[in-house]
Amino acid sequence: GQQLNQSPQSMFIQEGEDVSMNCTSSSIFNTWLWYKQDPGEGPVLLIALYKAGELTSNGRLTAQFGITRKDSFLNISASIPSDVGIYFCAGQWTGNQFYFGTGTSLTVIP
Amino acid sequence: GAGVSQSPRYKVAKRGQDVALRCDPISGHVSLFWYQQALGQGPEFLTYFQNEAQLDKSGLPSDRFFAERPEGSVSTLKIQRTQQEDSAVYLCASSSTRLAGPTQYFGPGTRLLVL
Repeated sequence: GQQLNQSPQSMFIQEGEDVSMNCTSSSIFNTWLWYKQDPGEGPVLLIALYKAGELTSNGRLTAQFGITRKDSFLNISASIPSDVGIYFCAGQWTGNQFYFGTGTSLTVIP
Repeated sequence: GAGVSQSPRYKVAKRGQDVALRCDPISGHVSLFWYQQALGQGPEFLTYFQNEAQLDKSGLPSDRFFAERPEGSVSTLKIQRTQQEDSAVYLCASSSTRLAGPTQYFGPGTRLLVL
């Protein structure tokens, strides 16, 4: 199946630092989503984006739907230890399928 | 509990065995999805149900994979004659909407290891 490319693959940051990660696709999407997955758990939705150029915040998280509709980024400000986990982007064109990215593993050093 | 539950949480099978993985979606949720997540990868779509109807099974990797949701609530993913490449986490998600919107709630997954 189709996979979206996420970068970086992993990040090690100090607590309090800001984080930026992005996701690119060769195909355009109508919806972009960002999820966080903790070990042994399923992904949890963080932010959903529905329109090209849209910028949406959820607390310390901000995500943007790229104007080309082929990319999206997620920023986390003032990271805290509980931000540790794997972050996935996902895109939807039409229909029932969401295509997930390869994931960015985030480690926050206290 | 109010969330999606899956059982078993862990399953070890010998190559060639059949396995059945269960998903209990959130009560009243119309849509149910199954995903396969290989180690170090993102989830990949397997199949989608709207109530008891399997509307999309295009992601099932082979005819050894079969899913059902006979009464529109609990779903079972069955894998026949398991192979080592079937080793993965199998995630179930449910949604209250009829369309595949973003508000999918995921279960914790079943980790399958085929020896």
